[in-house]
Amino acid sequence: GAGVSQSPSNKVTEKGKDVELRCDPISGHTALYWYRQSLGQGLEFLIYFQGNSAPDKSGLPSDRFSAERTGGSVSTLTIQRTQQEDSAVYLCASSLRDGQGPNEQFFGPGTRLTVL
Amino acid sequence: EDKVVQSPLSLVVHEGDTVTLNCSYEVTNFRSLLWYKQEKKAPTFLFMLTSSGIEKKSGRLSSILDKKELSSILNITATQTGDSAIYLCAVRTSYDKVIFGPGTSLSVIP
Repeated sequence: GAGVSQSPSNKVTEKGKDVELRCDPISGHTALYWYRQSLGQGLEFLIYFQGNSAPDKSGLPSDRFSAERTGGSVSTLTIQRTQQEDSAVYLCASSLRDGQGPNEQFFGPGTRLTVL
Repeated sequence: EDKVVQSPLSLVVHEGDTVTLNCSYEVTNFRSLLWYKQEKKAPTFLFMLTSSGIEKKSGRLSSILDKKELSSILNITATQTGDSAIYLCAVRTSYDKVIFGPGTSLSVIP
């Protein structure tokens, strides 16, 4: 596609439920990033992928969070047993791999998650 | 631990003023420094800096990197109300990890 897409754009869920957030990066971008932004806060790094592997998962806040990427393209961020503090905008970004060209990140529109 | 710091965290100026936003970093294997503008949900890319001392310019915005001081500044001249946004600084490492600073919230009042 022309840009990074994310779905859903908004998700309201009840505490304790599981949610899946999807990111479709720009075609050909091998690096994919997940960030979280709580109200009034900066971008919190969660995880990034090079191809299908995740060299750095250090930003995942707890073991309730997991992410996968298949086929070097679409990625899914899963939050199990959601808590109210998980409420935030979840942003996905993609870029070319370092050394392959201009490596600025292109962001998707984000998914606003609200946990009641 | 890799870290990116920005100052000030918030700033209020009048239209026509010139502002300077600061970013400093401590990271291993620095590759590039990125500036973004965030108005609504998704940040939009402004500049990428890799070489020290070379100014990048786009209209009223300019930025420069000082690798010796591990810092960068973003200048905005003749500010307009449309410049009101959060300005994010990020550093990319050679391992492709990107670390963002907390952002500077700029408000330009008429």
